[in-house]
Amino acid sequence: LAKTTQPISMDSYEGQEVNITCSHNNIATNDYITWYQQFPSQGPRFIIQGYKTKVTNEVASLFIPADRKSSTLSLPRVSLSDTAVYYCLVGGIQAAGNKLTFGGGTRVLVKP
Amino acid sequence: KAGVTQTPRYLIKTRGQQVTLSCSPISGHRSVSWYQQTPGQGLQFLFEYFSETQRNKGNFPGRFSGRQFSNSRSEMNVSTLELGDSALYLCASSLKGAGSPLHFGNGTRLTVT
Repeated sequence: LAKTTQPISMDSYEGQEVNITCSHNNIATNDYITWYQQFPSQGPRFIIQGYKTKVTNEVASLFIPADRKSSTLSLPRVSLSDTAVYYCLVGGIQAAGNKLTFGGGTRVLVKP
Repeated sequence: KAGVTQTPRYLIKTRGQQVTLSCSPISGHRSVSWYQQTPGQGLQFLFEYFSETQRNKGNFPGRFSGRQFSNSRSEMNVSTLELGDSALYLCASSLKGAGSPLHFGNGTRLTVT
C-alpha cells in the first residue's frame, strides 16, 4: 500500500513558482503518479500524470526521480486563481482497490 | 463533451435511513469509481466498477454498496446511515483503467442528522 505524504499548506505570491513534493516510499512498479487540483465545492480536476522522469504540460511540470519514491509538482508563475488544494494520487485503477491512495492534500494560498 | 454528473447535489437524511446517489460518467468511459471526502479523513476510495462489475473495493463497511448499469451509469447506496457518514461523495469516471486520469463530478453533499 503506497502511503503518500504531502505538506499540509504552502503560501506563495503571484508570479512565483510553487513546488509541492509528495512522498510515496512504497510505490509499486505499476503505479502511476497523478496530481489533482480541487476548489471548494467542486470535484478534483486532473492536472498532470507521470510514471518516471519529467512530464510537462501547459499548466504544470511533474518531476519524478529515478527511485520514484517522491514526486514534485511544479506550478510556474502562479496567479490568485491557483489558490486551491492539490492532491497527489499514487496507484493504478486496475490494482487492488485500496492502492488508490490520495495524499492528504496541500492547501496552496496565492497572495497578491 | 459533458462532464461527470452527480445527483442530487445536496441531501439531508436522518440516522438509520438509507440513501442512493447517482453518477453519470463521461460518454465512452467504462470505469466509475466512488470516493468519500471528509475534513478529517480526506479523500478515501470506496469502490470502482468497470463494465457492470465491481473491480476494486476500499476499506468501507458493507453498508456502502454500489452498482453499475449497462450504460455505465452508477449508483451508490448507503444503508443504516450514521452521523459519521456525513461527507462529500465524489464519483469519477475514466476511460479504460490502469493509469487513466480520473474525471470527477462535483459531488453529493450528504448530511446525516
